[in-house]
Amino acid sequence: NAGVMQNPRHLVRRRGQEARLRCSPMKGHSHVYWYRQLPEEGLKFMVYLQKENIIDESGMPKERFSAEFPKEGPSILRIQQVVRGDSAAYFCASSPLVGQGLEQYFGPGTRLTVT
Amino acid sequence: KNEVEQSPQNLTAQEGEFITINCSYSVGISALHWLQQHPGGGIVSLFMLSSGKKKHGRLIATINIQEKHSSLHITASHPRDSAVYICAVRRETSGSRLTFGEGTQLTVNP
Repeated sequence: NAGVMQNPRHLVRRRGQEARLRCSPMKGHSHVYWYRQLPEEGLKFMVYLQKENIIDESGMPKERFSAEFPKEGPSILRIQQVVRGDSAAYFCASSPLVGQGLEQYFGPGTRLTVT
Repeated sequence: KNEVEQSPQNLTAQEGEFITINCSYSVGISALHWLQQHPGGGIVSLFMLSSGKKKHGRLIATINIQEKHSSLHITASHPRDSAVYICAVRRETSGSRLTFGEGTQLTVNP
């Protein structure tokens, strides 16, 4: 059973470009969480999604950031018009259905560098 | 003040030593997680607990709900244990989202 997959592992974008980060949850997991780790800082919650639904986006910046988890395919975190302050490691985690415990399994992360 | 506080921030030990990392939190929680982040950056979930004590190999995690405190112990530490250890809580009022401590950087010297 493959773990949580994230790609790309490293992404370099120039200011103003768009960044798309992908997360494939573990098989059988229908809950996805995105977290951001800024340089020298701790992890911070961004958004929690189930298939085709955003459950909690209270940690998402109000502008330029969006997330989706379609019926088919990976979850996507999209950052439009990136700025240097977006440089960070972005981690995705997944968990199984509610009722089976809410242990979260983390992916390897995508390291975004904005030049 | 952060809702989740860890101590110490940095810890250096000699191989074989017994290590304790502490986590205190100020909110009601439904579960607490201990995570390990290696120098390469990947995050591994070590424990999820809501009461009592759990053990896995040389790692032991305890939690005292009344005192809002958890500890992670490593017995017979080894250089490969060198990593950042992160405490995270799932708040009673925040559903599934995790709130993280700042992490404890552990270095175990041979």
